[in-house]
Amino acid sequence: GDSVTQMEGPVTLSEEAFLTINCTYTATGYPSLFWYVQYPGEGLQLLLKATKADDKGSNKGFEATYRKETTSFHLEKGSVQVSDSAVYFCALKDSGGYQKVTFGIGTKLQVIP
Amino acid sequence: DGGITQSPKYLFRKEGQNVTLSCEQNLNHDAMYWYRQDPGQGLRLIYYSQIVNDFQKGDIAEGYSVSREKKESFPLTVTSAQKNPTAFYLCASTTGKGNQPQHFGDGTRLSIL
Repeated sequence: GDSVTQMEGPVTLSEEAFLTINCTYTATGYPSLFWYVQYPGEGLQLLLKATKADDKGSNKGFEATYRKETTSFHLEKGSVQVSDSAVYFCALKDSGGYQKVTFGIGTKLQVIP
Repeated sequence: DGGITQSPKYLFRKEGQNVTLSCEQNLNHDAMYWYRQDPGQGLRLIYYSQIVNDFQKGDIAEGYSVSREKKESFPLTVTSAQKNPTAFYLCASTTGKGNQPQHFGDGTRLSIL
């Protein structure tokens, strides 16, 4: 079945540091890939998405590129802020059936001033 | 604004009691989902529904029940058979078509009295 593997946190960075959160997946077919962000006590919000190989999703300074050859969708940001502290989930949505969504375990990011 | 509304935000259950969590969406989405979130375990699918009057069990359906009598509503009942109900519950919806992401509510936190 489908699966998503992402690095476990917490990841602690100083403000303005470079962020990478790794995400790899296994899936049949041609899934769409997503990054969601969750702030404390809230639901998940879509951060960015990519729907086919070599697509780059971007939003609020975050980027991720759909790499089919390495089955990866790593999240990056050049300069993190304290307000980026949250839990980040990588997810895939398969292209068949009812389009089940598979989530990674989530990576907690803490940014310190 | 369109969105998903979950209520209540906090809920307490007594032993042997059934409780119902509400989820309403005005996005005209066909598919709706219930997830359970526990610390360090990501999101686990409880039930999903692709269309009115139809729903399927997810990965952890035991001790839960749902109904889908209206397109915009997908309530979740946590029954007394669910022995460890303390968790954060998230409702989501999507058009179910193609590469569209899920939209999430703000969640309900259920605790045992």
